[in-house]
Amino acid sequence: QKEVEQNSGPLSVPEGAIASLNCTYSDRVSQSFFWYRQYSGKSPELIMSIYSNGDKEDGRFTAQLNKASQYVSLLIRDSQPSDSATYLCAVNRGYSTLTFGKGTMLLVSP
Amino acid sequence: SQTIHQWPATLVQPVGSPLSLECTVEGTSNPNLYWYRQAAGRGLQLLFYSVGIGQISSEVPQNLSASRPQDRQFILSSKKLLLSDSGFYLCAWRQSVSGANVLTFGAGSRLTVL
Repeated sequence: QKEVEQNSGPLSVPEGAIASLNCTYSDRVSQSFFWYRQYSGKSPELIMSIYSNGDKEDGRFTAQLNKASQYVSLLIRDSQPSDSATYLCAVNRGYSTLTFGKGTMLLVSP
Repeated sequence: SQTIHQWPATLVQPVGSPLSLECTVEGTSNPNLYWYRQAAGRGLQLLFYSVGIGQISSEVPQNLSASRPQDRQFILSSKKLLLSDSGFYLCAWRQSVSGANVLTFGAGSRLTVL
């Protein structure tokens, strides 16, 4: 069973701080990785995708990938209360079918 | 523009009743389509995916079925619902974003089985 593991949280950070979200995966052949944000009662929306080892930055978000350690992370700089949501890590299994982690709840306090 | 629609948005059904959830995609042709379920306290679980008309791949054996009668239409069905079928059902399609293939989700259908 290919798995994606995330700490369920909640991760609490004050406004303006850096939030660090982590994810590990078990399938060594996985090649593409995704971070989705899901607000309560809503469907997931894509934040970032990453395919190569290293960092990928998009605005306040940075995704980090380490394939040797089977580890993906998402950093959110200058966290805002509107960033409070559940963040889902996903790994591509083929045919663009994604295996999702259970998500980490992030709470940003004003 | 490319959009994905799901309906109904919410429904409450008794145990043993049938189910039909519909998903349609606009603005694209021959999309890969997916049905996921998110049950309370659980992660997103892939139920079915389809790469073309009439082609269905099933991930988890259960009392649900899927059909793809038209290129941009994906239907999730059940003949007799169980309590355990309650959850948030999400349809998704594979979309090219900045040269990468990503999944884009519809707004979802929330099912409560009583």
